[in-house]
Amino acid sequence: DAGVIQSPRHEVTEMGQEVTLRCKPISGHNSLFWYRQTMMRGLELLIYFNNNVPIDDSGMPEDRFSAKMPNASFSTLKIQPSEPRDSAVYFCASSPRQGITEAFFGQGTRLTVV
Amino acid sequence: QQQVKQSPQSLIVQKGGISIINCAYENTAFDYFPWYQQFPGKGPALLIAIRPDVSEKKEGRFTISFNKSAKQFSLHIMDSQPGDSATYFCAASTAGRRALTFGSGTRLQVQP
Repeated sequence: DAGVIQSPRHEVTEMGQEVTLRCKPISGHNSLFWYRQTMMRGLELLIYFNNNVPIDDSGMPEDRFSAKMPNASFSTLKIQPSEPRDSAVYFCASSPRQGITEAFFGQGTRLTVV
Repeated sequence: QQQVKQSPQSLIVQKGGISIINCAYENTAFDYFPWYQQFPGKGPALLIAIRPDVSEKKEGRFTISFNKSAKQFSLHIMDSQPGDSATYFCAASTAGRRALTFGSGTRLQVQP
């Protein structure tokens, strides 16, 4: 298995533009997580899905952020409009099944908003 | 109550030495305590994990020590090698909320 696949690896965009980050979880995993990593705040959970259903989105910073999981093999994290403070590395992770909480992380998307 | 506190922020160890990283938690509902290793430009990867029914778990050169009464756990890296140089994160989660709460990270540098 290729692991969790994220795209793009790097994204540079101008303030106010829409940004869409994509994630393909490991096949057969039923939980998917979006994390954000910054120097100031470390690794923080944004949202997680179980069986394609959002379970906890309390970490989503504000209405500018939205996440979807239309099927078991694909998820998106969208920021609209983007702001410089959104600059961070965004990680997607997936876990195999209930009770097993090891999370497998993707390589991340480094987002820079200028 | 979801916070996990990690120390030190950075650590320099000589090759062959022991690296020790500490974490403390507040939420007594946490029941899974993993350590993740992250190299630059990569995502975190699970290193070793423990559940609160045991006080110690060892895998090769890596050992987790767990003190339930003190709500603390630590990672010991024996015979530290330059290839161990990375950032280490402790984390915790509950069975009901599977998402991980991470510590702030420790940047380990092992000098040859």
